[in-house]
Amino acid sequence: QLQLQESGPGLVKPSETLSLTCTVSGGSISRGTYYWGWLRQPPGKGLEWIGSIYNSGRTFFNPSLKSRVSMSVDTSKNQFSLKLPSATAADTAVYYCARHGGSGWTIFDFWGQGTVVTVSS
Amino acid sequence: QSALTQPASVSGSPGQSITISCTGTSSDVGGSNYVSWYQHHPGKAPKLMIYDVTNRPSGVSNRFSGSKSGNTASLTISGLQAEDEADYYCTSYASSGTLCVFGTGTKVTVL
Repeated sequence: QLQLQESGPGLVKPSETLSLTCTVSGGSISRGTYYWGWLRQPPGKGLEWIGSIYNSGRTFFNPSLKSRVSMSVDTSKNQFSLKLPSATAADTAVYYCARHGGSGWTIFDFWGQGTVVTVSS
Repeated sequence: QSALTQPASVSGSPGQSITISCTGTSSDVGGSNYVSWYQHHPGKAPKLMIYDVTNRPSGVSNRFSGSKSGNTASLTISGLQAEDEADYYCTSYASSGTLCVFGTGTKVTVL
């Protein structure tokens, strides 16, 4: 069974870089035609797709965050990562990593449990 | 790209059927056969319940069904059970560039 686990600081200071890593187990990130995505849910709000990365490094981002987001993949460690520089309070959220598949960009079939990130001084 | 519109809350008694709507535009729900639904219990990972408008992943109860008419997609839960109490989100492919847009979310309460 595929499992995903987010890791990273739970507290980030404003203007610093929010960095998270997702470790995949139970399957290879290099196999199949899947993207690997990041999503978030701010307090009291709904889910938002941040972006997704293929094992080749090809990325697609939500246009609302595209100018700030970067993602990378490390197939040797079966991990992919998210970086969001210049963090603000608006980036406070539960962050999820998920496997992103299907031809219509709406299928996230395996998820991590989520990690809470608070942006505050 | 604006979020898809869902009712904030829907409720029903055990055994009843409820329907959650998800309204978008011709650039997303109306123009796409790619609509998915997620169940989210607070503190847990969201769970895929329906994909490609009407398809259920393996292991998902057949009490959950999806449909679409025009710019509105719907999730119906029949034979409502206490364990169905959760937040539900729709998502659609969006041709405008966002690729994947989520709905505003609906809290389902089992009375």
